[in-house]
Amino acid sequence: GIQVEQSPPDLILQEGANSTLRCNFSDSVNNLQWFHQNPWGQLINLFYIPSGTKQNGRLSATTVATERYSLLYISSSQTTDSGVYFCAASNTGTASKLTFGTGTRLQVTL
Amino acid sequence: GAVVSQHPSRVICKSGTSVKIECRSLDFQATTMFWYRQFPKQSLMLMATSNEGSKATYEQGVEKDKFLINHASLTLSTLTVTSAHPEDSSFYICSAIRRGFYEQYFGPGTRLTVT
Repeated sequence: GIQVEQSPPDLILQEGANSTLRCNFSDSVNNLQWFHQNPWGQLINLFYIPSGTKQNGRLSATTVATERYSLLYISSSQTTDSGVYFCAASNTGTASKLTFGTGTRLQVTL
Repeated sequence: GAVVSQHPSRVICKSGTSVKIECRSLDFQATTMFWYRQFPKQSLMLMATSNEGSKATYEQGVEKDKFLINHASLTLSTLTVTSAHPEDSSFYICSAIRRGFYEQYFGPGTRLTVT
């Protein structure tokens, strides 16, 4: 099956800083999503982005499918951005069935 | 829109008993629901895929007789952990997708502790 790797594994930022999280995948994908898991365990759907670029407020994401990577940008980080960011991908006939990466644990400090 | 609930949020049970976890899509019909397991500081591991009205498809290594999944309607799927043991203690999370879409929407999770 597809392999999904994320970097960095851990990241500490001061409030207001910008950051880039990376997701590499081992094969072509027909589904790629970014999620944020808050400290209470709830996963929030950030982007569905198998290709191209999307923006939502301070967050944006870009997937370069031909080069098998996706980037999540967080600008002007806030303490509420803390948590774990997961990238998940699929390359199967069941495009909704996702393989999750290992995550990037983000801590934003004052 | 796309809200998924899970009940209970937290459960403690004794070894040998069974526990049922409910996953509901509140404002949409979920053609497919997924069940995941997450250990502390680890990623999500898919346990099974549940389609309404049909048998669940389990991932390799997941005991289907131990983790019973029923997708009785387009808004409800249940996971029953039978004869629970301490090693079954974990965070169980469900997700759901709408017909024709690929985005998964997650429930808040259920923390199971088996004593």
